[in-house]
Amino acid sequence: DARVTQTPRHKVTEMGQEVTMRCQPILGHNTVFWYRQTMMQGLELLAYFRNRAPLDDSGMPKDRFSAEMPDATLATLKIQPSEPRDSAVYFCASGLWTGTYEQYFGPGTRLTVT
Amino acid sequence: DQQVKQNSPSLSVQEGRISILNCDYTNSMFDYFLWYKKYPAEGPTFLISISSIKDKNEDGRFTVFLNKSAKHLSLHIVPSQPGDSAVYFCAASHFNAGGTSYGKLTFGQGTILTVHP
Repeated sequence: DARVTQTPRHKVTEMGQEVTMRCQPILGHNTVFWYRQTMMQGLELLAYFRNRAPLDDSGMPKDRFSAEMPDATLATLKIQPSEPRDSAVYFCASGLWTGTYEQYFGPGTRLTVT
Repeated sequence: DQQVKQNSPSLSVQEGRISILNCDYTNSMFDYFLWYKKYPAEGPTFLISISSIKDKNEDGRFTVFLNKSAKHLSLHIVPSQPGDSAVYFCAASHFNAGGTSYGKLTFGQGTILTVHP
């Protein structure tokens, strides 16, 4: 049963600390997305990779957030320095462009910045 | 600018009755629409989709209707079951977009559905 995995599932950190979230997309999927879920905004797209190349990170605060795909099995989202307003659930999703737009989501990382 | 809107934050329905979840969009370039379901502490899971060349798509108890002129879509669940209680997200995309828009989904804020036994 292929799934997207995310680590850690929960992270509590103090303001100013660096946070790194990791995602393992489904093997063979060529698109990876990072989303943030907040009560006010629903699911916001932060970054989007296709074939490991970053295509769109316009939804991401550039000064503190960065997203990378070091290889096809790992995507990372870093926040440095973290702020309380970054507290949210961060989801990774992967997909395979076959003519539909189905994306498969991981369980999310719940981040709390105090 | 919220291009996909789910104006009802919550919906409560009796088991066995119909649940109707609504979604409006403003971007006329959107031509592919999806519904995702999300349980607490889990990621969203794909439920059903529809292309703009259709006005209806059915999968078991779930039917999605698309009204392009009104820029409105709805998800019907018949009959509703307590296990359907979850957050439902509407999402939209521009199927034929090139470049960086290719494959992107724009999500609504979600509607919490509660089905009472």
